[in-house]
Amino acid sequence: EPEVTQTPSHQVTQMGQEVILRCVPISNHLYFYWYRQILGQKVEFLVSFYNNEISEKSEIFDDQFSVERPDGSNFTLKIRSTKLEDSAMYFCARRDRGHTDTQYFGPGTRLTVL
Amino acid sequence: QQQVKQSPQSLIVQKGGISIINCAYENTAFDYFPWYQQFPGKGPALLIAIRPDVSEKKEGRFTISFNKSAKQFSLHIMDSQPGDSATYFCAALRMDSSYKLIFGSGTRLLVRP
Repeated sequence: EPEVTQTPSHQVTQMGQEVILRCVPISNHLYFYWYRQILGQKVEFLVSFYNNEISEKSEIFDDQFSVERPDGSNFTLKIRSTKLEDSAMYFCARRDRGHTDTQYFGPGTRLTVL
Repeated sequence: QQQVKQSPQSLIVQKGGISIINCAYENTAFDYFPWYQQFPGKGPALLIAIRPDVSEKKEGRFTISFNKSAKQFSLHIMDSQPGDSATYFCAALRMDSSYKLIFGSGTRLLVRP
């Protein structure tokens, strides 16, 4: 099953630092999503990204978050000034072109904010 | 309105038994209902999905039952195996809302040998 890859697998950072999480699609997909899962909790939608623009974002996705596709390949999530409560698994997902509803998730990046 | 409620929180089943996980939703605009399986340290993986114009969908040992009038859907795992031990999430999405997934709270399934 085609997937995306994510780097790093685990990121440890100090509170207030900036982190960049990366998602690398296997092929040239247009639709990307970032989700967050705090330990032991449900998966929560953060943002959707279509054709190099944000198409929708959740209340969680405040001014400290940003997404971009800087080189037309990698898809990044930046957290400008991390807080303790940002500690979570962050999943990138992609959706195929056309009318396919399926989203394929990457393995995730575990972010630990100290 | 955007919530998907899932139960039970955890489930223990003997090998060979039937595992049943239930979900309910409020928003009638949802038009696609997938189930995801997640193993520890991994991302959610699509297991099976259904559209609201179908009342049941079966793939191998996994079946979704969908009750549109009650706004409920459930996952049945027949002949449950220890390898099915994982966390299961129901989800829903609206095609007119960027296809973002709204997840239930998850059910941790343990299948005893």
